[in-house]
Amino acid sequence: KAGVTQTPRYLIKTRGQQVTLSCSPISGHRSVSWYQQTPGQGLQFLFEYFSETQRNKGNFPGRFSGRQFSNSRSEMNVSTLELGDSALYLCASSLGFTNYMAGNTIYFGEGSWLTVV
Amino acid sequence: ILNVEQSPQSLHVQEGDSTNFTCSFPSSNFYALHWYRWETAKSPEALFVMTLNGDEKKKGRISATLNTKEGYSYLYIKGSQPEDSATYLCAFIDSSNTGKLIFGQGTTLQVKP
Repeated sequence: KAGVTQTPRYLIKTRGQQVTLSCSPISGHRSVSWYQQTPGQGLQFLFEYFSETQRNKGNFPGRFSGRQFSNSRSEMNVSTLELGDSALYLCASSLGFTNYMAGNTIYFGEGSWLTVV
Repeated sequence: ILNVEQSPQSLHVQEGDSTNFTCSFPSSNFYALHWYRWETAKSPEALFVMTLNGDEKKKGRISATLNTKEGYSYLYIKGSQPEDSATYLCAFIDSSNTGKLIFGQGTTLQVKP
């Protein structure tokens, strides 16, 4: 079956613009989470959604937001882009909300590379 | 602040060598530990999900052990092959915030033919 799909794969934006990234989870998966990878910080948690509700949020400014649709697809938005937002953004999906299923495997997409100039 | 530490940061071995890496995590509020293998330009590949103290998991030449009481996990690769070259990440889940993976910085393995 298809894995986690992220679009677009690569994009370049100008400071001050906004960007929307999309993630389609594995079929049947209801939990989607987002991570940011930068060279200095490693993989940092942004947020997690389950059944269209944000369940967890990481320590990122309010410029970072997301949502999940009824078909479990998710989008994340970054407004007023800054140079420091240049990063790889990874989406991950799993079967259920991890409170109840500790042994769930969490699958990652290939990511969206964002460059802010 | 919850810290997950991995060592060594990088490792160069010859084909056929066996190797192991360490992941250290908080010993309290343990929920799960995940291991991933990440090759450049690909998605992180899930290797193991470990949930119980004493867990031992194996996938081909790769195996992992877990000690939740002392807060560490070992990943072993037996007879390393060039295709094992990748970054190996561990990620901890705290029981008070189970929707979040806390990643270590990774161990980058280079296997020379």
